[in-house]
Amino acid sequence: EPEVTQTPSHQVTQMGQEVILRCVPISNHLYFYWYRQILGQKVEFLVSFYNNEISEKSEIFDDQFSVERPDGSNFTLKIRSTKLEDSAMYFCASSLDRMEFFGPGTRLTVL
Amino acid sequence: DAKTTQPTSMDCAEGRAANLPCNHSTISGNEYVYWYRQIHSQGPQYIIHGLKNNETNEMASLIITEDRKSSTLILPHATLRDTAVYYCIVRGNTGNQFYFGTGTSLTVIP
Repeated sequence: EPEVTQTPSHQVTQMGQEVILRCVPISNHLYFYWYRQILGQKVEFLVSFYNNEISEKSEIFDDQFSVERPDGSNFTLKIRSTKLEDSAMYFCASSLDRMEFFGPGTRLTVL
Repeated sequence: DAKTTQPTSMDCAEGRAANLPCNHSTISGNEYVYWYRQIHSQGPQYIIHGLKNNETNEMASLIITEDRKSSTLILPHATLRDTAVYYCIVRGNTGNQFYFGTGTSLTVIP
């Protein structure tokens, strides 16, 4: 069964460094999403992406964040200058229609 | 903000049906009801969705009231592996964000 994959599973970085989180969505899907979940808190929407552009973004998704679909298969989330409060699980999701399928997540730890 | 209200926690005996309620009294005509679950810190897992008719798949059944202001997710024979946080979400168009609330923490008891 096709699934969303994410790499790395755990990323440790120093405050102020740039990180890129990678996702491979399900191959025929058209909509792509990033969510995050700070430990013990709710899953929060960051951004949705369709037809090579951002279709919706939340207040969390400020200028420090960017997304890209550099080729036909990968979908990336970049954080330019990480802060301590960016430490969280980051989930990628993709959908063809109404059902969003989530990846296993990347745990980002900012020291 | 989440447009749904769910109980914070529920218990269910193994092998029995788990009935998880959700209120969505402000749901709009084009909004679907979705159910997802999250086990530990894993990615949310899709369970089922519906617009106004009751739906059933291999995992669960979704019962939506006629006025669409509430729904119930039914896991017909709960197992220990069904212990998770269950989220009821309403959303209109594909591509719009899912608002995850705090969900219902379901514990299946042996």
